[in-house]
Order: sequence, then structure tokens, then C-alpha cells
Amino acid sequence: QKEVEQDPGPLSVPEGAIVSLNCTYSNSAFQYFMWYRQYSRKGPELLMYTYSSGNKEDGRFTAQVDKSSKYISLFIRDSQPSDSATYLCAMSSGNTPLVFGKGTRLSVIA
Amino acid sequence: GAVVSQHPSRVICKSGTSVKIECRSLDFQATTMFWYRQFPKQSLMLMATSNEGSKATYEQGVEKDKFLINHASLTLSTLTVTSAHPEDSSFYICSARGQPPNTEAFFGQGTRLTVV
Repeated sequence: QKEVEQDPGPLSVPEGAIVSLNCTYSNSAFQYFMWYRQYSRKGPELLMYTYSSGNKEDGRFTAQVDKSSKYISLFIRDSQPSDSATYLCAMSSGNTPLVFGKGTRLSVIA
Repeated sequence: GAVVSQHPSRVICKSGTSVKIECRSLDFQATTMFWYRQFPKQSLMLMATSNEGSKATYEQGVEKDKFLINHASLTLSTLTVTSAHPEDSSFYICSARGQPPNTEAFFGQGTRLTVV
């Protein structure tokens, strides 16, 4: 079993839809969870950062972490064509390198 | 978020030459820097981790003599691809992280290397 599993998609939704992106993981030591957005041929951009379990909201984005289920989610409300990108989940146990999911390609159709 | 600047964004070099890529943290001190390689439509592949003032730790399968990493200051790390070959053509991305408890990492813009 890979440390972090993420459905690569592609995921295609109409503009205005709510998007749900998810990752599961196997290492119970992970405590820090991140979501990155990567546009084609660009470096990843940090969207959300969460420590331990719980929810975090920032504008149209909501990150959820359920450590008991080893499951994290990113919700995008009122999705826009500009949200079309690859979304990468990443996690760490602290001082160790981030472990990334493979990324989910999202297309928001106008 | 914090800013990490990576330069150059694109480089084309001849086979057998060396290429240096710079990664700078502009508004924070990067205790740790990471270098990744990314193939088209693939996820990030960690190549090495470097802590300021220490030798880099390379991931299995990454040739340390080919990919030279220097992290001499808290704001600058360099990756030198030595004796580049066409198979080294890829997208290279650096990432920087500050001191704990700041565990989030910020990425540079990436460097697209083409070896001809």
C-alpha cells in the first residue's frame, strides 16, 4: 500500500459546482496536511495547511482532516474555470520531507 | 505565503555540459530545502533534501555526483546537473521550509531543462 493515495482523475465539473478532492494515507504519524495547486509547467502553490484533525476554511476552499479514518479532503465551492489545475495533497510527520499524492487533474468547464 | 524564487525558468543546454539551478527563499530563512523532479503528468519525485550547512541527503537511485546540491546559506540552495544528457531533460522544482514548527513547504516556479 502506498503511503498516500490520491485518485488522479481527470475530474471534470461545470462552473459553479462544488468540487471534492480526497486523499487517504497509511502512516498514522502524519500530523501536518497540505493541499497544493499546480498549473501546467509551474511550481505547486500552497493552498491550505492543516495541523492534526479538523476543518479549515479559506474563501472558497475548505480542508478537512479525519485522522481516525486517515482521510483528508479539499472542497472548492463555486468552482471557476481558473480553478482548473492539478491538486496535490501532501503530508508530513514533522521534520521529514513531505509525502505527496499523485495529484488530481481538475477541469472546470464554463 | 512565503516566496521562493527559482532561476532560470527554462534552460536548453548541450549534452555533456553542466547546468546550475538556483533556489532562493526571499522572505524567510529556509532551514531545509528539497529538490524534486517531475515528468509530464506525473507527481513530484523527491531527489534530495538539504539542510543549511550540511551535505544533502539523496533519495535512492539519485546519483549524488551527477546532481550536486549546495545549501550554503539559509536563503540559497543550488542544484547543478553535471554532464547533462538528454535523459536528464525534465522539470526541476525546489521547495523550501523554515524552522519548526513551520512545517509547510513553499515551492519555486520550477525549471524546465532541455538537454539537446
